[in-house]
Amino acid sequence: KQEVTQIPAALSVPEGENLVLNCSFTDSAIYNLQWFRQDPGKGLTSLLLIQSSQREQTSGRLNASLDKSSGRSTLYIAASQPGDSATYLCAVPLGGNDMRFGAGTRLTVKP
Amino acid sequence: DAGVIQSPRHEVTEMGQEVTLRCKPISGHNSLFWYRQTMMRGLELLIYFNNNVPIDDSGMPEDRFSAKMPNASFSTLKIQPSEPRDSAVYFCASSVDRGNTEAFFGQGTRLTVV
Repeated sequence: KQEVTQIPAALSVPEGENLVLNCSFTDSAIYNLQWFRQDPGKGLTSLLLIQSSQREQTSGRLNASLDKSSGRSTLYIAASQPGDSATYLCAVPLGGNDMRFGAGTRLTVKP
Repeated sequence: DAGVIQSPRHEVTEMGQEVTLRCKPISGHNSLFWYRQTMMRGLELLIYFNNNVPIDDSGMPEDRFSAKMPNASFSTLKIQPSEPRDSAVYFCASSVDRGNTEAFFGQGTRLTVV
């Protein structure tokens, strides 16, 4: 059974810091891994999708890496800003029908 | 494209009433998913459609829940009768195809059953 874990559950950093969010999964046979952002009271916004054949994806200040063999993915946020404050979730598909989500990391970037 | 559109954004209803949640997927997407998010259980898949056909409804909690997709641009999730424990945020998501492609989520419907 695929389990997805995100550490830490919450993170608070001063503006300008670089930070890393962690996601681990127990079954390495995944098609891809997706990182989402969720703002309070709002839906999920897709940030990055990494296919199983890729090692990393970049979008602006965000960089996501994937290491299937160790069951880990990281989301790196460079030069954090208060607007980055949100909950970040990682998710992996299960047999193409379902997605297993982590519990998320709640990020607060203080001005 | 405006993305996945859900309505209503908020719904407050009394126990026993019928609730209908609506979703318009992104045009051209073949797969549509309904999720429920609660603090206790996180995000859970309720049902998944591919080309308008329900493929996996094993996540539907009870017979009180039903979902339809009459055409490629519209889906409904109905709860009848509603109960307080159904209170949650319900998300609709769509993707070009299942599994390998990116999923896009709607803003969600926050349901409160009193």
